Amino acid sequence: TQLLEQSPQFLSIQEGENLTVYCNSSSVFSSLQWYRQEPGEGPVLLVTVVTGGEVKKLKRLTFQFGDARKDSSLHITAAQPGDTGLYLCAGSYNTDKLIFGTGTRLQVFP
Amino acid sequence: GEEVAQTPKHLVRGEGQKAKLYCAPIKGHSYVFWYQQVLKNEFKFLISFQNENVFDETGMPKERFSAKCLPNSPCSLEIQATKLEDSAVYFCASSQAPEESPLHFGNGTRLTVT
Repeated sequence: TQLLEQSPQFLSIQEGENLTVYCNSSSVFSSLQWYRQEPGEGPVLLVTVVTGGEVKKLKRLTFQFGDARKDSSLHITAAQPGDTGLYLCAGSYNTDKLIFGTGTRLQVFP
Repeated sequence: GEEVAQTPKHLVRGEGQKAKLYCAPIKGHSYVFWYQQVLKNEFKFLISFQNENVFDETGMPKERFSAKCLPNSPCSLEIQATKLEDSAVYFCASSQAPEESPLHFGNGTRLTVT
């Protein structure tokens, strides 16, 4: 079974703090995506990383793909209450389906 | 349409009853995926279609689950003789070409089996 383990599972922080979410696997992925899901909605794509070592920035969010393409991280600078949600990484092996990570539930308090 | 439309939003079934969920993919998207989300976190892949053809069904519990994507009709996921453990949110997603373009998810159907 292909597994993508995310850590931490839960994170509660105050507005303005920084945080990092990790996504780890023993398998090599051709690409990795990060999604955010809010209650009652489907996941929404934040970013796709393809190249080992790649870093992408989306405003206060920084995404990194590991050199070996087995792991990824999401760093949020100066978190805001609007960042609250479930963050999911998802890997692809050059085929159709995505393998989703175990999820990190983030709560940012004002 | 410009969004993946899933119906119904909520579905309650007694154990042993049949449940049928529907998904209208974004127009022009030829790939459709079904995922099951349990415990509000874990996403499990069920099945994917390329147009009306099954592309990958490795996640489907074949004894009770079936799915179709027929031309000019919404895609459907059907569960015969539901069990308590089938309670979950079922998400449908569509894509133009999964290797190159992202999945667009619907808002899910929450199935509760009592």
